[in-house]
Amino acid sequence: NAGVTQTPKFRVLKTGQSMTLLCAQDMNHEYMYWYRQDPGMGLRLIHYSVGEGTTAKGEVPDGYNVSRLKKQNFLLGLESAAPSQTSVYFCASSYPGSYTFGSGTRLTVV
Amino acid sequence: SQQGEEDPQALSIQEGENATMNCSYKTSINNLQWYRQNSGRGLVHLILIRSNEREKHSGRLRVTLDTSKKSSSLLITASRAADTASYFCATDATQGGSEKLVFGKGTKLTVNP
Repeated sequence: NAGVTQTPKFRVLKTGQSMTLLCAQDMNHEYMYWYRQDPGMGLRLIHYSVGEGTTAKGEVPDGYNVSRLKKQNFLLGLESAAPSQTSVYFCASSYPGSYTFGSGTRLTVV
Repeated sequence: SQQGEEDPQALSIQEGENATMNCSYKTSINNLQWYRQNSGRGLVHLILIRSNEREKHSGRLRVTLDTSKKSSSLLITASRAADTASYFCATDATQGGSEKLVFGKGTKLTVNP
């Protein structure tokens, strides 16, 4: 099984550009999450979803939007990228108590 | 704000020594998890301890949980250079009806050969 797959793995954006990060899971998990990790920090929750068609804000949601149109996919969008959004982004899915993380997307906004 | 806070922020030891990292948290939890992250890599799940458990072992890892003090510790025995990584505690709690995993800032462990 692939588990949690994130695409792309690396991306460089110019300030003001938009992009979408894709997270796909094949474990039929209800819950999915997007985190960001900055240097020397732990992961901070951006948005999460408790099921298909539902999304909710996490700790640091500003500047991001998400969609969960299909149970297996959770998309994270940046409408107008800012240098402050330079970070490593991790997606995760879970069933109660068991989390699986993707390998991360390294995003640089110049 | 982040739920878990690890202590110390950085730890440097010699190969063969034991490494102890502590984690404190603020709210009631379902379980507490420890993860390892090698530099520039993803997260590796190490161990999960449920709120009704006090101690758990996995190989060279020993985790304790004290819910009355809202704290946990991770002990790595007989450390190896390959244990060099950042270690994060994460609390799994139900907030607002939804289960979320909240991370601390991590402890950076360096094991010198």
